[in-house]
Amino acid sequence: DADVTQTPRNRITKTGKRIMLECSQTKGHDRMYWYRQDPGLGLRLIYYSFDVKDINKGEISDGYSVSRQAQAKFSLSLESAIPNQTALYFCATSDPGRYGYTFGSGTRLTVV
Amino acid sequence: AQTVTQSQPEMSVQEAETVTLSCTYDTSESDYYLFWYKQPPSRQMILVIRQEAYKQQNATENRFSVNFQKAAKSFSLKISDSQLGDAAMYFCAYRSVDAGNMLTFGGGTRLMVKP
Repeated sequence: DADVTQTPRNRITKTGKRIMLECSQTKGHDRMYWYRQDPGLGLRLIYYSFDVKDINKGEISDGYSVSRQAQAKFSLSLESAIPNQTALYFCATSDPGRYGYTFGSGTRLTVV
Repeated sequence: AQTVTQSQPEMSVQEAETVTLSCTYDTSESDYYLFWYKQPPSRQMILVIRQEAYKQQNATENRFSVNFQKAAKSFSLKISDSQLGDAAMYFCAYRSVDAGNMLTFGGGTRLMVKP
């Protein structure tokens, strides 16, 4: 099994729908992150969490919310999806050391 | 806030040749980490090489090496003996040593390898 698992792998949804992207990890890391990838912009940070009770907004949090259900689970929600939220979304974990960033395989979300 | 710039949206190289991908960054910190990630069509983010800012020696991993110029805030990736499997998106990334340890990415460079 992958260290960081994202579901679904691909998703098409309609404008205005609520959608949740899920992430689970077996690394035992406290720190988890959600990034969004757009062409030419690289990956940008949406939200991050240092533990279950510590959740923080990133660079582009508007229109998104997150939930840290457990150390191993970190979900990203779009309350009312819009077309410009069409992107590739990555979940990642890290340890407090100098290295150790682990990415999931991404969720490609299309909002029509 | 830190920024990372990759000025080459696309690059191409002939198989077996050498190519250099450019990356510059802006920061006021003295200690940090720099990374190059590879993203093949499978979407997986694969760590290629990393560099600690306090180390003067350039990092090397097999055919991949970096030219780290701290004063110039430049961090280029050299791929030697390019292979077809090197074709991918490459992202340069900066990581602070503060409590957050968030990664800041450049916009990416798409590398094409010609047989």
